[in-house]
Amino acid sequence: AAGVIQSPRHLIKEKRETATLKCYPIPRHDTVYWYQQGPGQDPQFLISFYEKMQSDKGSIPDRFSAQQFSDYHSELNMSSLELGDSALYFCASSSSGTGHSPLHFGNGTRLTVT
Amino acid sequence: GESVGLHLPTLSVQEGDNSIINCAYSNSASDYFIWYKQESGKGPQFIIDIRSNMDKRQGQRVTVLLNKTVKHLSLQIAATQPGDSAVYFCAETTDSSYKLIFGSGTRLLVRP
Repeated sequence: AAGVIQSPRHLIKEKRETATLKCYPIPRHDTVYWYQQGPGQDPQFLISFYEKMQSDKGSIPDRFSAQQFSDYHSELNMSSLELGDSALYFCASSSSGTGHSPLHFGNGTRLTVT
Repeated sequence: GESVGLHLPTLSVQEGDNSIINCAYSNSASDYFIWYKQESGKGPQFIIDIRSNMDKRQGQRVTVLLNKTVKHLSLQIAATQPGDSAVYFCAETTDSSYKLIFGSGTRLLVRP
């Protein structure tokens, strides 16, 4: 079965640079979610989109932005990168907009900021 | 791959024994709960879910128990196998929410 695809798998950037992470949801899933996970931490919710509109917002820094496109894929744009942005970034998708549907996660993008 | 769960509480069990992983959730309004398994370098993998109108749900080798009175979830794994070794997270959300909130994980180690 098709899963959530994230690219790139690994990314190394320097401080103050920008990064773009991409997410391709499971076919026919209309909602995408972005999470950040530091070492030894639980995944922290950043932002979500339902039918291409932002649906909820969590602890996403102002330096980050995201959008969902007409084909339902999503991109997380990160600017003015800081050392503390180094983390695993996960995208998840689900087939309905509200809570009662499990989120299916990709295998993440590992961002290292040097 | 990325090392997940460097400083998480650890449950160590003998292969073949049953495992019980506990979770306290925070929001009394939460009405949908999910257990995820996360292996090193991978994303969280769905295990089982439960709605707030239930107190027990069973899957293959796994059972989730929900106690809304004390806001407590547990995941029971029967006949634990080496492949069950991972970090386990509970997560909660509400019917009107578009975000799933994760609790602190528990690392499960299965001794051969």
